[in-house]
Amino acid sequence: EADIYQTPRYLVIGTGKKITLECSQTMGHDKMYWYQQDPGMELHLIHYSYGVNSTEKGDLSSESTVSRIRTEHFPLTLESARPSHTSQYLCASSTGESTYNSPLHFGNGTRLTVT
Amino acid sequence: RKEVEQDPGPFNVPEGATVAFNCTYSNSASQSFFWYRQDCRKEPKLLMSVYSSGNEDGRFTAQLNRASQYISLLIRDSKLSDSATYLCVVNLKMDSNYQLIWGAGTKLIIKP
Repeated sequence: EADIYQTPRYLVIGTGKKITLECSQTMGHDKMYWYQQDPGMELHLIHYSYGVNSTEKGDLSSESTVSRIRTEHFPLTLESARPSHTSQYLCASSTGESTYNSPLHFGNGTRLTVT
Repeated sequence: RKEVEQDPGPFNVPEGATVAFNCTYSNSASQSFFWYRQDCRKEPKLLMSVYSSGNEDGRFTAQLNRASQYISLLIRDSKLSDSATYLCVVNLKMDSNYQLIWGAGTKLIIKP
């Protein structure tokens, strides 16, 4: 089982604050992803990375940024939090050996509430 | 219309029964398919990949119907622990990359 960790587990923060959600994996996976999921809804891709210094935007990327300076670390930053950012944020990784069929391993998520 | 559609449920099923649900996808260029399981307020976890010839893993059977563009999941002898939301995921080739498209999930409740 992949070891992928997200911190914090829960975060309540005021509007306008800058926040960084942390994600680290110890499996040496090349590919990492950030998803946003509201209750009862599908996952939406925010950003992804295929390796160090590689980052790409997903469907919901316009209000956040990511970096991939080290293989194991893929932080997500919201420059100015808004109530519409209230959601669950899930980080995932995969081996990348086969883009076609690599399963995703998820962290346990960060539940963000912006007041 | 969503690219991946699932009946949200919930499916309320007595313990020991067999239950099946489908997932339809709209893009015929979809390359590979998966079922993930997500427990309440937890992260998704891979349940099984879906192969063209169909595949079975214990009490779980997955089927792919490319002509009608749907995949199915069958659970036999259902257990209380099978209660979860089952997410259908389609791997779609776009240009030279693959993109995972997620369904919103089907909620299954197994009752004693």
